[in-house]
Amino acid sequence: DQQVKQNSPSLSVQEGRISILNCDYTNSMFDYFLWYKKYPAEGPTFLISISSIKDKNEDGRFTVFLNKSAKHLSLHIVPSQPGDSAVYFCAASGLDDYKLSFGAGTTVTVRA
Amino acid sequence: DTGVSQNPRHKITKRGQNVTFRCDPISEHNRLYWYRQTLGQGPEFLTYFQNEAQLEKSRLLSDRFSAERPKGSFSTLEIQRTEQGDSAMYLCASSLIAGESYNEQFFGPGTRLTVL
Repeated sequence: DQQVKQNSPSLSVQEGRISILNCDYTNSMFDYFLWYKKYPAEGPTFLISISSIKDKNEDGRFTVFLNKSAKHLSLHIVPSQPGDSAVYFCAASGLDDYKLSFGAGTTVTVRA
Repeated sequence: DTGVSQNPRHKITKRGQNVTFRCDPISEHNRLYWYRQTLGQGPEFLTYFQNEAQLEKSRLLSDRFSAERPKGSFSTLEIQRTEQGDSAMYLCASSLIAGESYNEQFFGPGTRLTVL
């Protein structure tokens, strides 16, 4: 059962523009949501997170928005840079065991 | 380098053989997780440890899989009688669980297993 879904397998964006990645979840017990970035031959790297009690969290060029009623979150990257080209995973966990449920990932390509 | 390390990085084996992977977490982290990732999918939870205690195993973890974390430090994941369906990237992650604060998991580079 896929509890976290990323419906867009790929995204292409021009350098300097905004990248918007979307994620939907089905488990209302999730308390924490995270975005990880992954380059080939490396493990996922933590990018940004948000607690279920918030609706926005910002860190530099990265902002995550959470809409609990819609069970939807998004990651905005502004401005997009060539080094942002990677696979981005949305993940969620409860606060009891912290194990992560991941989406299938979105491959972002930033064009020069 | 104080990140999570995994060995070996690559393992090719024949069907029916046993394999063992090792994960060394960040030294002060008390929580250790194992995930498996197949092509085109996100990582899937397998099991996790709080110090040396294995607290949960996913139903994905058949009887052929066993994990240990002796002394609450490094961890090993063993697969017995490997099958071609076991071919995947095996990822280890660690985190520090303390009080009410949420701390993210740090991942190692993974061990890529190919079963021929």
